Amino acid sequence: ETGVTQSPTHLIKTRGQQVTLRCSSQSGHNTVSWYQQALGQGPQFIFQYYREEENGRGNFPPRFSGLQFPNYSSELNVNALELDDSALYLCASSSASGGAADTQYFGPGTRLTVL
Amino acid sequence: AQTVTQSQPEMSVQEAETVTLSCTYDTSESDYYLFWYKQPPSRQMILVIRQEAYKQQNATENRFSVNFQKAAKSFSLKISDSQLGDAAMYFCAYRSVYNAGNMLTFGGGTRLMVKP
Repeated sequence: ETGVTQSPTHLIKTRGQQVTLRCSSQSGHNTVSWYQQALGQGPQFIFQYYREEENGRGNFPPRFSGLQFPNYSSELNVNALELDDSALYLCASSSASGGAADTQYFGPGTRLTVL
Repeated sequence: AQTVTQSQPEMSVQEAETVTLSCTYDTSESDYYLFWYKQPPSRQMILVIRQEAYKQQNATENRFSVNFQKAAKSFSLKISDSQLGDAAMYFCAYRSVYNAGNMLTFGGGTRLMVKP
């Protein structure tokens, strides 16, 4: 069984640029969630994708957007980067939506630094 | 909205001893799930243990067990026979069964140090 993978591992961007982060879900999982974890804090939910549609969104502006592909992999896009976007971005996958066995399994994250 | 609070920013335990990490949460819902995740320096969140709110029996996974007090909205994690590899950030998380999707709400984390 392949776990959740994310790319790239690290990324450095400048303010105003755009960035795309990628996530491959664990085999058998059809739901992907994205979280932002600022240094020294717990992760904050950005949004979730289920069957290629956004299925829940946290308190993040529209410049945070995403996609899910037919193979259930996902992208997180952030436009007009701000310094406060510097964080660890975590992707988590799970099977189905809402069930008792619907535990999220996390990838290793992408560390984004905005200068 | 639900909130999760971890009141201990840092905890320390001697190897082979037992330590308890605290977590409280606020919700008006009657059914939900609670989780403890471990985040070592490698950054990857690893599921430690899960508790369904409708189950009165406390969950256990080998050396890890929880004390789930639903009325008090408390969900503590006990680590027995602590090992050096247990050193990590530990996050408590809440998940509603009613909202679309399965969003996790995390606490601020507790850093656990294990002394040899």
